[in-house]
Amino acid sequence: DTGVSQNPRHKITKRGQNVTFRCDPISEHNRLYWYRQTLGQGPEFLTYFQNEAQLEKSRLLSDRFSAERPKGSFSTLEIQRTEQGDSAMYLCASSFRGASVYEQYFGPGTRLTVT
Amino acid sequence: AQTVTQSQPEMSVQEAETVTLSCTYDTSESDYYLFWYKQPPSRQMILVIRQEAYKQQNATENRFSVNFQKAAKSFSLKISDSQLGDAAMYFCAYRAETSGSRLTFGEGTQLTVNP
Repeated sequence: DTGVSQNPRHKITKRGQNVTFRCDPISEHNRLYWYRQTLGQGPEFLTYFQNEAQLEKSRLLSDRFSAERPKGSFSTLEIQRTEQGDSAMYLCASSFRGASVYEQYFGPGTRLTVT
Repeated sequence: AQTVTQSQPEMSVQEAETVTLSCTYDTSESDYYLFWYKQPPSRQMILVIRQEAYKQQNATENRFSVNFQKAAKSFSLKISDSQLGDAAMYFCAYRAETSGSRLTFGEGTQLTVNP
């Protein structure tokens, strides 16, 4: 078990470009979450999946954001037409339905800088 | 909507001393969970301790313990025998039983441990 991994770790892009991040959860974890963390703030929930189904989306997830989890394994988060306000750390977490409190294990994050 | 408030942006403690980090939350739910997460610089977030709201006994994990006051909606973290490796940003988080799996985080408290 290697933990939750995220790629890339850092991404610098120009305003208006599209970016895609990948998250690989802990194997056999059926729930996967995306959060956004801006500098000096706590993470904010974006969306989560149970297996391949996207069960909840925050209103923070504008039309420019889309997330997928094909086959219930890894997940991708795409941001289209990036804006400077999208600059943040994007965190992925996973959990297993079985533990009574669905403890979430976090990845190292992808830091996005939009110039 | 649930909110989590950490009123101490920064705290410092001498090595081997004890420090308490404060957290308050607002909810109308009766079933929920509370967590403290630690985020070291440039490293991923890890769970420190959790508390189920239905349990009256305060959770303890080695040098970490909580003071859970349900009526006051207060959830403080006590770190005993502080170590240099405890230096990090600490986040208090809330999850309602009815809100799927989303975590709601506070703004964080930056803890410095002085040798």
